[in-house]
Amino acid sequence: AQSVSQHNHHVILSEAASLELGCNYSYGGTVNLFWYVQYPGQHLQLLLKYFSGDPLVKGIKGFEAEFIKSKFSFNLRKPSVQWSDTAEYFCAVTVTGGGNKLTFGTGTQLKVEL
Amino acid sequence: ETGVTQSPTHLIKTRGQQVTLRCSSQSGHNTVSWYQQALGQGPQFIFQYYREEENGRGNFPPRFSGLQFPNYSSELNVNALELDDSALYLCASSSYRESTYEQYFGPGTRLTVT
Repeated sequence: AQSVSQHNHHVILSEAASLELGCNYSYGGTVNLFWYVQYPGQHLQLLLKYFSGDPLVKGIKGFEAEFIKSKFSFNLRKPSVQWSDTAEYFCAVTVTGGGNKLTFGTGTQLKVEL
Repeated sequence: ETGVTQSPTHLIKTRGQQVTLRCSSQSGHNTVSWYQQALGQGPQFIFQYYREEENGRGNFPPRFSGLQFPNYSSELNVNALELDDSALYLCASSSYRESTYEQYFGPGTRLTVT
């Protein structure tokens, strides 16, 4: 069965700092990769996704992620964070041919200070 | 376009009781998935319904059961509630059951078992 690891549970940054959140998955086959965000008091929403093609994917609000197959990683990046990026971030995978079942990591709580 | 809605928002039950949670999928979506999010954890897949039939199940006991109706809305039923069932229950809908179709999440139902 697949699993997802997020290494940073809590991250505190100042505005304008750069962000990188780690995500590693374990599965030997083809995966589809997602980053979801949950802003305080709001629903989980999709930031970006990777299915195939260019391993560097761009999402909403200036976020991007790079799929490195050899490292089983899909790290999330943003060059300059804003206070409004304060939220919880979840990495997730589905397995091609395994139905639309998301396996999530434990999440990273990001706090951006002014 | 109406998003995914869930009811009730909050619920308090006693150990041993039964509970039913409801979800209305987004317009045009025929697939509904249920997830359990315990405090400090990522969502865990419970099961998925596609066109009124169960289409995949996670590692949850049989006392977790569900239904999907012809209008694609869904119910999650939990019998013989245990304290560990206290969690946020999320419903997500998608336009198809395959792994590359984006899932849209509802706001969740917070269940507390005392």
